[in-house]
Amino acid sequence: GAVVSQHPSRVICKSGTSVKIECRSLDFQATTMFWYRQFPKKSLMLMATSNEGSKATYEQGVEKDKFLINHASLTLSTLTVTSAHPEDSSFYICSAVTGFQETQYFGPGTRLLVL
Amino acid sequence: AQSVTQLDSQVPVFEEAPVELRCNYSSSVSVYLFWYVQYPNQGLQLLLKYLSGSTLVKGINGFEAEFNKSQTSFHLRKPSVHISDTAEYFCAVHTGKLIFGQGTTLQVKP
Repeated sequence: GAVVSQHPSRVICKSGTSVKIECRSLDFQATTMFWYRQFPKKSLMLMATSNEGSKATYEQGVEKDKFLINHASLTLSTLTVTSAHPEDSSFYICSAVTGFQETQYFGPGTRLLVL
Repeated sequence: AQSVTQLDSQVPVFEEAPVELRCNYSSSVSVYLFWYVQYPNQGLQLLLKYLSGSTLVKGINGFEAEFNKSQTSFHLRKPSVHISDTAEYFCAVHTGKLIFGQGTTLQVKP
């Protein structure tokens, strides 16, 4: 139980294009989903918290117009990196929680490379 | 502010030897504590968690951790490691949101 998937697992795009990453909870309803960014050899940095049906809450320093988050259903959240640049290249990981919000279940991550 | 410190960035150990990965946290309120493992190019997998109750927590893959409130520590241990335990390990504290430590690379050598 508590499986979270991400799609795609890896994406390469040209600078200036937009990329959408999907995060799905496969066997539970996720009231809240989180998006993290991880740089090589570094820890996870929380980007935003997404609640179903409401606007995402972004962490300080994260550009909300650059990283668009939508949480339209209890099983799906999307992160769109708009006008991507090489510095946006990173490993993006989502997580989801059920009613017991202290335990997060993580997706397998999406490797984004912007050329 | 809450923070998590993993005292060792890398821990090399021989196969079948015991290992301890150290984690200290700072928080002025009650916390929930977690250990996650990350294999290369993968997401995080929950190893174990402390929410309340017994201070000795047992997790998957033979790992266990002990919550020590007086020392604000939550060290991860395994009595005998395998090559397959080679991975990145993250300690995290939850006080509204997850705060991660910097990670410890466990390198198990044959």
